[in-house]
Amino acid sequence: ELKVEQNPLFLSMQEGKNYTIYCNYSTTSDRLYWYRQDPGKSLESLFVLLSNGAVKQEGRLMASLDTKARLSTLHITAAVHDLSATYFCAVDYSNYQLIWGAGTKLIIKP
Amino acid sequence: DTEVTQTPKHLVMGMTNKKSLKCEQHMGHRAMYWYKQKAKKPPELMFVYSYEKLSINESVPSRFSPECPNSSLLNLHLHALQPEDSALYLCASSPPGTGERHEQYFGPGTRLTVT
Repeated sequence: ELKVEQNPLFLSMQEGKNYTIYCNYSTTSDRLYWYRQDPGKSLESLFVLLSNGAVKQEGRLMASLDTKARLSTLHITAAVHDLSATYFCAVDYSNYQLIWGAGTKLIIKP
Repeated sequence: DTEVTQTPKHLVMGMTNKKSLKCEQHMGHRAMYWYKQKAKKPPELMFVYSYEKLSINESVPSRFSPECPNSSLLNLHLHALQPEDSALYLCASSPPGTGERHEQYFGPGTRLTVT
């Protein structure tokens, strides 16, 4: 059974701190996605990671992919309140189907 | 135009009503999707249309009926829904091909409440 596991599921942190969200998946896949969702809103694509060793950065967020370990990380540097949201990782299952992690709810306190 | 639009934003309907959700994109994407998302959960895939043909139906109850009139439009017809169908309904689209361009772009969603 294909599984995508995120941890932690909930994270409360102070502004200015660094932290990492982990996404493990149980089978081989060519693509891994990170999405952000604000409360009551839609999903915003953050990163698409296509190959082993891929690293992408946007502002205070950096995502990486290790296909051998079946692990992706989303690293937050010097967190700010605006990054408070739920973050989902998702893995390609077929041409159109994604297997989603449960999501990590991130709260950043001033 | 680089977005997926959905109407209405909010919908309240009774269990005997018939209503429709609409989704539109003008990015030339040839795959369009309906998802259902309950609070604090990831989205659940309902239907996928590829090149205007239904490719995937994830065993969705027949009270949900999708329609893809053309490559830019996707509808979801609702009839005799149950209160447990209350959720955020998200439309998404993705371009043809592979690689990075294959990511799914989501619309703002329709918040559906069934009373």
